[in-house]
Amino acid sequence: KQEVTQIPAALSVPEGENLVLNCSFTDSAIYNLQWFRQDPGKGLTSLLLIQSSQREQTSGRLNASLDKSSGRSTLYIAASQPGDSATYLCAVSIAGANSKLTFGKGITLSVRP
Amino acid sequence: GAVVSQHPSRVICKSGTSVKIECRSLDFQATTMFWYRQFPKQSLMLMATSNEGSKATYEQGVEKDKFLINHASLTLSTLTVTSAHPEDSSFYICSATGPPNEKLFFGSGTQLSVL
Repeated sequence: KQEVTQIPAALSVPEGENLVLNCSFTDSAIYNLQWFRQDPGKGLTSLLLIQSSQREQTSGRLNASLDKSSGRSTLYIAASQPGDSATYLCAVSIAGANSKLTFGKGITLSVRP
Repeated sequence: GAVVSQHPSRVICKSGTSVKIECRSLDFQATTMFWYRQFPKQSLMLMATSNEGSKATYEQGVEKDKFLINHASLTLSTLTVTSAHPEDSSFYICSATGPPNEKLFFGSGTQLSVL
């Protein structure tokens, strides 16, 4: 059974810091991995999607890397801003583009002005 | 971009009543929809997968007679929580995917509180 772990559960940093959020998964036979952002009481916004054959994806200040063999992914946020405060969820898909996702519990990030 | 609309965003109901949650794809045909449940500080847990025109496939431990899912059209799926009880209080969220690019889009979620 696939398990996704995100540690720590919460993180507080001052504005401007570069930071790394970690995600690990137990079964390396994944189809893809996604990072999502969730604001309190809201839905999910997809940030980055990495296919199993890829090593990283970048979008603006965000960079996600994937090491499938070791079961790890990181989300790098450059020059953090208070608007980045949210919960960041990592999820893996194991069976194809339309298959179910297995989520981690998320990391709640607070960026202090 | 594609949008998935979920309603209501928040509902409070009495124990024993039924609640219907709607999930609509606004600008694409959602051939597959997923329903998730999220308890506070927990992961999103998949409840069921529905394909348009077919019966939903439920995850282990999810009661299909309690959580009724209908996906009768390519733009609408509904989740009905029947005879809701306080332990059903949770955040429910849908996601949808379909052609042409098969990307996955999430609704904004429904916070259900059962008194």
